Amino acid sequence: DAEITQSPRHKITETGRQVTLACHQTWNHNNMFWYRQDLGHGLRLIHYSYGVQDTNKGEVSDGYSVSRSNTEDLPLTLESAASSQTSVYFCASSVDSRYEQYFGPGTRLTVT
Amino acid sequence: GNSVTQMEGPVTLSEEAFLTINCTYTATGYPSLFWYVQYPGEGLQLLLKATKADDKGSNKGFEATYRKETTSFHLEKGSVQVSDSAVYFCALSDKRNAGNMLTFGGGTRLMVKP
Repeated sequence: DAEITQSPRHKITETGRQVTLACHQTWNHNNMFWYRQDLGHGLRLIHYSYGVQDTNKGEVSDGYSVSRSNTEDLPLTLESAASSQTSVYFCASSVDSRYEQYFGPGTRLTVT
Repeated sequence: GNSVTQMEGPVTLSEEAFLTINCTYTATGYPSLFWYVQYPGEGLQLLLKATKADDKGSNKGFEATYRKETTSFHLEKGSVQVSDSAVYFCALSDKRNAGNMLTFGGGTRLMVKP
């Protein structure tokens, strides 16, 4: 069955380290998204991509970067992790604007 | 810009009680509206959606009607079960945006007691 996976599911890192969170989908969806989930804020969009080699900044993109070298993957990189980036991160994908987004299981990141 | 406001939780109900979770939105265009559900330890799943005014989305006994005049999309269920305990998110997608980015409300935690 087609799916969307994230790895790792849990990560603890230290302030200042570079961290990369993986997202992989097997639906061949064009659109992919990264969100962070924090209490009181719901989900906020970090970056998104409409296709290979396309990336765009979302609402809370500072300190994060993404790259899209193929259809299946959109890794999220924290260049220099900060405690404010402790959160749960969700990846999502959709085929196009007419259809809903499918979410991965999430990655819980703790920056100490 | 676009925004979604939903009632704060937690909402605690007894099994078989009636559920309403309020959701109102602000959008400059004509958005599509969604309810997503998040069970403990999992990602979000689409519960129902409505794409135009007066549409009613329904799934698993849940319903919500797109009310343009009151800019609302309240979630209702006639008889909740313990298995409905989860966090519910209201969201909108601006149709003018080809990438269908979602704007989420803050989420409402529902706890159903036996």
